[in-house]
Amino acid sequence: EPEVTQTPSHQVTQMGQEVILRCVPISNHLYFYWYRQILGQKVEFLVSFYNNEISEKSEIFDDQFSVERPDGSNFTLKIRSTKLEDSAMYFCASSVMVAGNTIYFGEGSWLTVV
Amino acid sequence: GIQVEQSPPDLILQEGANSTLRCNFSDSVNNLQWFHQNPWGQLINLFYIPSGTKQNGRLSATTVATERYSLLYISSSQTTDSGVYFCAAARRGATNKLIFGTGTLLAVQP
Repeated sequence: EPEVTQTPSHQVTQMGQEVILRCVPISNHLYFYWYRQILGQKVEFLVSFYNNEISEKSEIFDDQFSVERPDGSNFTLKIRSTKLEDSAMYFCASSVMVAGNTIYFGEGSWLTVV
Repeated sequence: GIQVEQSPPDLILQEGANSTLRCNFSDSVNNLQWFHQNPWGQLINLFYIPSGTKQNGRLSATTVATERYSLLYISSSQTTDSGVYFCAAARRGATNKLIFGTGTLLAVQP
C-alpha cells in the first residue's frame, strides 16, 4: 500500500528556534494536511492544502505556522519561534479528492521543545 | 462544527475476547474513518466507512449514517490489538477536515 512518509521521526529543539517538518505525500494525491496530537490528547486538524494554497485552517494554525510545497513531491510545515506548548506529534496526511475518500496518514514526527 | 464522541473511554479484555467500540457523530458525514494508534504513536488506518459495513480479518465496522453512529468490532482479540482506537469524521460538504474523537484505550491481556 502506498505510504505518506515524514521526516524527521523525532526532533528536539530549543524554545524560540524554527523547525521544519517534512512530508512526502502519496504520489497521485492532490490534497495535503497537517494534524497534531499533544501527548495524551486527541488528534487535531491544523491545515489543509490544495493547488499551492491553504484551503482550510484551524484556530491553532496562527501566524507562527506556515506550509509550503517547495517542489513536486515534498510538503512542509514550518513552525517559527517554537514554544514549549508546540511539543506534540505532528502528522502529515494526503488524499486524492477533497471529500468522500480515505485520508492516509504518515507515521508522525515527534517534536519536543525544551 | 461536528462533534465526535467515542465509548467506552477504556476497555480491558482477555486475549480471545470480542469487543465493540462505538462512535457517535453529530452531523451528516462524507468521511468516517477508524484508526488504531499503536504504542509508537503511529496512526494505522483501519476503515474508511461513511456508511455500510466492511470487514478486514478479525476487524469489522458498521456505520449507520441515518442514526449517526459507527461501530468497530474486534473479534478474538490479541495482545497486538492493544492501543488507542480513534474514530474521525468529516462533515458533509466540500471538506475533508477530520474531527477526531477522544479515543478508546484498549488493553488486551494475555
